[in-house]
Amino acid sequence: DQQVKQNSPSLSVQEGRISILNCDYTNSMFDYFLWYKKYPAEGPTFLISISSIKDKNEDGRFTVFLNKSAKHLSLHIVPSQPGDSAVYFCAANTYSGGGADGLTFGKGTHLIIQP
Amino acid sequence: GAGVSQSPSNKVTEKGKDVELRCDPISGHTALYWYRQSLGQGLEFLIYFQGNSAPDKSGLPSDRFSAERTGGSVSTLTIQRTQQEDSAVYLCASSPTSGGYGYTFGSGTRLTVV
Repeated sequence: DQQVKQNSPSLSVQEGRISILNCDYTNSMFDYFLWYKKYPAEGPTFLISISSIKDKNEDGRFTVFLNKSAKHLSLHIVPSQPGDSAVYFCAANTYSGGGADGLTFGKGTHLIIQP
Repeated sequence: GAGVSQSPSNKVTEKGKDVELRCDPISGHTALYWYRQSLGQGLEFLIYFQGNSAPDKSGLPSDRFSAERTGGSVSTLTIQRTQQEDSAVYLCASSPTSGGYGYTFGSGTRLTVV
């Protein structure tokens, strides 16, 4: 039973356009959400996060939106650049519970930026 | 070192053999996590250490898998009697505290069981 779902295994976007990566979750106890980026043969690196008290967090070209009622979050990258081509993982945790059980990850979305 | 170091980076082993994977976390990080990524799958949680103790072993797939952490630092993940379905990239992450924040991942060990 997947608690964090990324339903698009891959996404192709033209350079300069907006990339939108989606993530859905089922566990209503999750209250902290993160996005990680992974290049081949490297470990995932932290990109951006959001807590459930917010509905938007912005960092440069990256913005994460959270819709708690829909249990949905999305990552927007604008404008998309060739270096953004990577696998993006959505992850969730329970902040208020201390999160000692670690992050729950989705299966990832492979973003391909076309020149 | 500055980051999380995992060794070996690649390991090919014969079915039935035992393997040991090593993780050297960032100095001072008290929390250490093991995940694995099988082909086409997401990151599957295996085990979590807070200091030397493992409060959560719920993700270990079978009793062939074990892990330890000594001195609150280096951790080893041991897989006994490896099977082909154990083939995956095994990732280690550390963080200053528990709770999944400030994770830093290593580059992983790619294990191939033939």
